[in-house]
Amino acid sequence: DTGVSQNPRHKITKRGQNVTFRCDPISEHNRLYWYRQTLGQGPEFLTYFQNEAQLEKSRLLSDRFSAERPKGSFSTLEIQRTEQGDSAMYLCASSLMYRDANIQYFGAGTRLSVL
Amino acid sequence: DAKTTQPPSMDCAEGRAANLPCNHSTISGNEYVYWYRQIHSQGPQYIIHGLKNNETNEMASLIITEDRKSSTLILPHATLRDTAVYYCIVRVGGVETSGSRLTFGEGTQLTVNP
Repeated sequence: DTGVSQNPRHKITKRGQNVTFRCDPISEHNRLYWYRQTLGQGPEFLTYFQNEAQLEKSRLLSDRFSAERPKGSFSTLEIQRTEQGDSAMYLCASSLMYRDANIQYFGAGTRLSVL
Repeated sequence: DAKTTQPPSMDCAEGRAANLPCNHSTISGNEYVYWYRQIHSQGPQYIIHGLKNNETNEMASLIITEDRKSSTLILPHATLRDTAVYYCIVRVGGVETSGSRLTFGEGTQLTVNP
């Protein structure tokens, strides 16, 4: 069990560029979540997958954001036309179906800086 | 999810017990209390959860008052590595939960001092 893995750990980009982050959940974890965290705040929910199906999206997930989990394993989060307000830590978590879904295992996150 | 209230910060001496309070006066009968912590530059880490009975694991103990309107997370012998933000989350739980979002507040910054 290697835990939830997120890549890259840090990303610096210029405003207007597209970025993509990857999350590899704990193997056999069917549920996968994305959160965003800005400085001094707790993580905020973005979206949730059960296997490959995206079951819930937050209003925070604007049209510029898209998440996929094509084979029910790893997931990607893409931000198009980045804005300075997108600068944050993007966290991925996973959990096991048929267990308490509120027990989630988080990765170390990808820190995005938009210049 | 029931609203929770936590002090913004607390200090504790290394080796002493750290007692972190959480108020959740509007908790419903089927809502559990979950605790997570987040060490600087890491993702949140699940610690413990409970419904109404006190719970203990290798990391901490959770004491829930009889009326369930408040709880206390206890780290029995705090170390410097326990310095983190601690989040109390209240929501419907158990194996029947179908997802999804955890709602984190601002938590309590616990600083363990040498």
